Amino acid sequence: AAGVIQSPRHLIKEKRETATLKCYPIPRHDTVYWYQQGPGQDPQFLISFYEKMQSDKGSIPDRFSAQQFSDYHSELNMSSLELGDSALYFCASSLGTAEQYFGPGTRLTVT
Amino acid sequence: QKEVEQDPGPLSVPEGAIVSLNCTYSNSAFQYFMWYRQYSRKGPELLMYTYSSGNKEDGRFTAQVDKSSKYISLFIRDSQPSDSATYLCAMSRASGTYKYIFGTGTRLKVLA
Repeated sequence: AAGVIQSPRHLIKEKRETATLKCYPIPRHDTVYWYQQGPGQDPQFLISFYEKMQSDKGSIPDRFSAQQFSDYHSELNMSSLELGDSALYFCASSLGTAEQYFGPGTRLTVT
Repeated sequence: QKEVEQDPGPLSVPEGAIVSLNCTYSNSAFQYFMWYRQYSRKGPELLMYTYSSGNKEDGRFTAQVDKSSKYISLFIRDSQPSDSATYLCAMSRASGTYKYIFGTGTRLKVLA
C-alpha cells in the first residue's frame, strides 16, 4: 500500500538559511499534519491542512510557513533557520478521521 | 505539567513476556486514543486506536481506555525482540481537527 512520502530525507543547512520540506500524502487523503520531533522529544504539532485550507495551527514559529497544493501535497517552508530548528519533521495524512499515517520524516540539521 | 504523561522507561523484558505500557492524561476532552510504534530514526507507525472508552484487541495487542481514571494502556502478549521500539501514545479531541498530543514515549527492549 502507498505510504506518505517525504523529501528530502536528510537536509543540512546553515544558520539563517532557508529550507523547504515536502510531503506527499497517501492517495485520496485530504488532510495533512506537520509535526516536529526534537532529539529525545515527543512529536509536537505544527500545522494542519484540510482540503488545501489551513485547519489548525500549533506551536509553529512565525519564520515557518506551509501550504497544501491542489494535488494535496504540502510544503513546509522554514526561513532564518536557527540551531534549535534541528529536528525530525514528520508529515502525516488522514482521510478526515483521527487515524494519521506518518511519513518517514525529514531530518534537518542546522549548523 | 504536560497534558499527556508517559513513563519514558527504558523497559526491558524477556522474550514471551506480557508488556504493559501506560499513559495518563489531564484533558477530559480527549476522545481518540492512539498507540504508535517508532523504531529509531523512523516515522511513527499506527498500531491501534480507540474511540472513547473500552477495549480493543488486534492479534497480540490490546488497547484499553479508562476515561474515568484518564488512563490508557497497551498490552503486548508474547513479546518478541522485534517489538523492541519506542511506543508513543497520542490523543486528540473529537471535534475540530484531530491534532495529536503525544506522550514522551516508552522505550521497550525485549531480550531474546
